Amino acid sequence: AQKITQTQPGMFVQEKEAVTLDCTYDTSDPSYGLFWYKQPSSGEMIFLIYQGSYDQQNATEGRYSLNFQKARKSANLVISASQLGDSAMYFCAMRDEDMRFGAGTRLTVKP
Amino acid sequence: NAGVTQTPKFRVLKTGQSMTLLCAQDMNHEYMYWYRQDPGMGLRLIHYSVGEGTTAKGEVPDGYNVSRLKKQNFLLGLESAAPSQTSVYFCASSYSMALDQPQHFGDGTRLSIL
Repeated sequence: AQKITQTQPGMFVQEKEAVTLDCTYDTSDPSYGLFWYKQPSSGEMIFLIYQGSYDQQNATEGRYSLNFQKARKSANLVISASQLGDSAMYFCAMRDEDMRFGAGTRLTVKP
Repeated sequence: NAGVTQTPKFRVLKTGQSMTLLCAQDMNHEYMYWYRQDPGMGLRLIHYSVGEGTTAKGEVPDGYNVSRLKKQNFLLGLESAAPSQTSVYFCASSYSMALDQPQHFGDGTRLSIL
């Protein structure tokens, strides 16, 4: 069963604007962790941000924030003030009993 | 500050050939993982290890074997390569399997099976 769903295969955003990348997940475990990774064209996987299922506040890391809506089982990544270097694939992942990744969203930042 | 290092970065094999992918980490992590990445499917776990001398199957283990003889190294073997194994392979490591522990990835190995 698909545990992580990223419904946007591709997204475009204008430089300096904010963008939201969607992620929904499915688990019956009350304890889980949510992660976002960035994969630039060079191929490496870069850890961006983490949100725990019991965290009361949305996680933030610099220009990245995670819009965590537990009842909806969504963990959307918000990138503020987009930069050209943000163009990449973005993967949402969830860890409960194991770690599962979504199919990814390709973000393109336009100048 | 090497982190996780994968070798080789690229390889082309013929069907039926064998090869080993090497993963080395210098972060003293107990846990190591091998994933494959295919278009439209994200990353799928092949095998993982919770410590030296131990390995376990992941989501897609068929056609692969692994070994963890040293804590810092995790080897992925293809005994008889098949075109369906054409993929990008990622190794990752983590300090623990706690929910808040991110996995640290290598740069990937692009493998083509002809």
